[in-house]
Amino acid sequence: GAVVSQHPSWVICKSGTSVKIECRSLDFQATTMFWYRQFPKQSLMLMATSNEGSKATYEQGVEKDKFLINHASLTLSTLTVTSAHPEDSSFYICSAIGTSGGVDEQFFGPGTRLTVL
Amino acid sequence: GDSVTQMEGPVTLSEEAFLTINCTYTATGYPSLFWYVQYPGEGLQLLLKATKADDKGSNKGFEATYRKETTSFHLEKGSVQVSDSAVYFCALSDLSGTYKYIFGTGTRLKVLA
Repeated sequence: GAVVSQHPSWVICKSGTSVKIECRSLDFQATTMFWYRQFPKQSLMLMATSNEGSKATYEQGVEKDKFLINHASLTLSTLTVTSAHPEDSSFYICSAIGTSGGVDEQFFGPGTRLTVL
Repeated sequence: GDSVTQMEGPVTLSEEAFLTINCTYTATGYPSLFWYVQYPGEGLQLLLKATKADDKGSNKGFEATYRKETTSFHLEKGSVQVSDSAVYFCALSDLSGTYKYIFGTGTRLKVLA
């Protein structure tokens, strides 16, 4: 099946620093990837749609200058949290569009837990 | 707009009990429907899916049937195990061509030995 990886799986950083999270489709090419944020005991909140070779599309209320997304290749999208603050601490999950049984669907990565001190 | 409504949890069951987690949806057209499971500290794993009306998705003893007439996709398992303790998310695929998913709020299941 289609596999999506994320790196790192967890990261701790100091307030004011930037953190980059990678999302890779391991055995398929993905022109479209998604980035989600999940708060404790809550559902996933879609942050943005990442399209290979073009600018990301951000959901309403998501600061594009704070959450920089780069989808430079068909297998890699990165999310950079710039000037991170404690309120950015969260679980970040990516997904990639792949095909299963002739149907396009999202395949999810294992998530990255970010803690900002 | 499209939406997914899940029963609120937490749901606490004894091992070998029957499980039902309700999920209903509102959508224009006939989206694909999914159940995902999330274990503590992990990402989402696809549990099962159905792409058209009357389809039954099944995996690891879990089942859900795409009911167009009641716009439902209830998750069931005949005999739960402690290892099934997790959060379950119902989701539908957006039909606008964006491939976006709309998730329910999630239902936490706790199975006691």
